[in-house]
Amino acid sequence: AQTVTQSQPEMSVQEAETVTLSCTYDTSESNYYLFWYKQPPSRQMILVIRQEAYKQQNATENRFSVNFQKAAKSFSLKISDSQLGDTAMYFCAFMNFMNYGGSQGNLIFGKGTKLSVKP
Amino acid sequence: GAVVSQHPSRVICKSGTSVKIECRSLDFQATTMFWYRQFPKKSLMLMATSNEGSKATYEQGVEKDKFLINHASLTLSTLTVTSAHPEDSSFYICSALGTTQNEQFFGPGTRLTVL
Repeated sequence: AQTVTQSQPEMSVQEAETVTLSCTYDTSESNYYLFWYKQPPSRQMILVIRQEAYKQQNATENRFSVNFQKAAKSFSLKISDSQLGDTAMYFCAFMNFMNYGGSQGNLIFGKGTKLSVKP
Repeated sequence: GAVVSQHPSRVICKSGTSVKIECRSLDFQATTMFWYRQFPKKSLMLMATSNEGSKATYEQGVEKDKFLINHASLTLSTLTVTSAHPEDSSFYICSALGTTQNEQFFGPGTRLTVL
């Protein structure tokens, strides 16, 4: 069974600084997707970034980038130029690759990291 | 991006009553929807997977007779908490699997409080 581990329950960063949230996972599959979701105080889950395991290039979305190390099964999120609006819970998640008639696209979540951006 | 709505956003009910929560995909058809429960400061716990036109698949430990799921159309799934009790108070979140089937889109959640 797949598992996702986020070892940092809480982190804080100064505004405009850079912070890295770590995530490791365990799977025997070779094709899968990895996600980082943000959950602000409103509780709405927002997709931050996604990575396809078969792509070697690390995904980036503006100030957000990942360091995907497939062999090490590591998927960290780097937030550059942190902003007050980045304060939220961040969840790392794993999804099996969807084959026709295969898995149902279940997401497996880590326990989350609470990030506080301080002015 | 795809939009998923939930209704109601919050509900307060008396112990013993039943509560229905709706999850709708607004601009796409979702053959698969998921229902999660989230306790304060905790991660999302998958309760069940809802497939259009078939019975839902429940995770271990989730009572299917208490948490009734109906996915009658490609855009609507409902979760009914039957005979709710205070321990059912929680934040319930639904998501819908997108048409490419490699991303889930989340609703805004429903806060249930059972008195």
